[in-house]
Amino acid sequence: QITLKESGPTLVKPTQTLTLTCTFSGFSLRTYGVGVGWIRQPPGKALEWLTLIYWDNDKRYSPSLKSRLTITKDTSKNQVVLTMTSMDPVDTATYYCAHYYWTSGHYFDYWGQGILVTVSS
Amino acid sequence: QSALTQPASVSGSPGQSITISCTGTSSDVGHFNLVSWYQQHPGKVPKLMISEVNKRPSGVSNRFSGSKSGNTASLTISGLQAEDEADYYCSSYASSSTPVVFGGGTKLTVL
Repeated sequence: QITLKESGPTLVKPTQTLTLTCTFSGFSLRTYGVGVGWIRQPPGKALEWLTLIYWDNDKRYSPSLKSRLTITKDTSKNQVVLTMTSMDPVDTATYYCAHYYWTSGHYFDYWGQGILVTVSS
Repeated sequence: QSALTQPASVSGSPGQSITISCTGTSSDVGHFNLVSWYQQHPGKVPKLMISEVNKRPSGVSNRFSGSKSGNTASLTISGLQAEDEADYYCSSYASSSTPVVFGGGTKLTVL
């Protein structure tokens, strides 16, 4: 059974750096064909893909946010960490991590519950 | 990569069929058979409904089906039920450097 859960601060100040952790179980990021991604959703708005990390540590970033994002993994802890710099109120959103299956389909099949991050002074 | 284009809203009556379109470009939707669809009820987590244009994951009702023609993918829901009322998002593989692009979402209302 695959599960994922996001953790981190729910309130950050403008200009600060956000660090979120995705702790997962039921799969290993050492396994070929596996990835973990981050997706966000501002209140009342659409999903937006942020970043992906693959089993072999290859990383992909949204072109529009690439300069602000870093994704890393700790396979021994079954964790993926998202870092986003220079937070702004427009970054207020629910942040999801999700299991990404890419060997044939390229889709997110398991999602965490999400964490609402508010950016406010 | 720009977001995929979806209608903001669609509606239908119980028992009817509806179709939600998802328009991309020849670089994403039109180039790869890697379109997926997600259902999201208010306050809930997105759920994968369709992968690879027309494949249903285990447990997803066969009332949901997907297709693609050119640069436009479609999600069809037949025999509409009240529980289908939700937001629906399409997504496509776009390239090795930008593997994921989402649509703007479509709100389905069951009248």
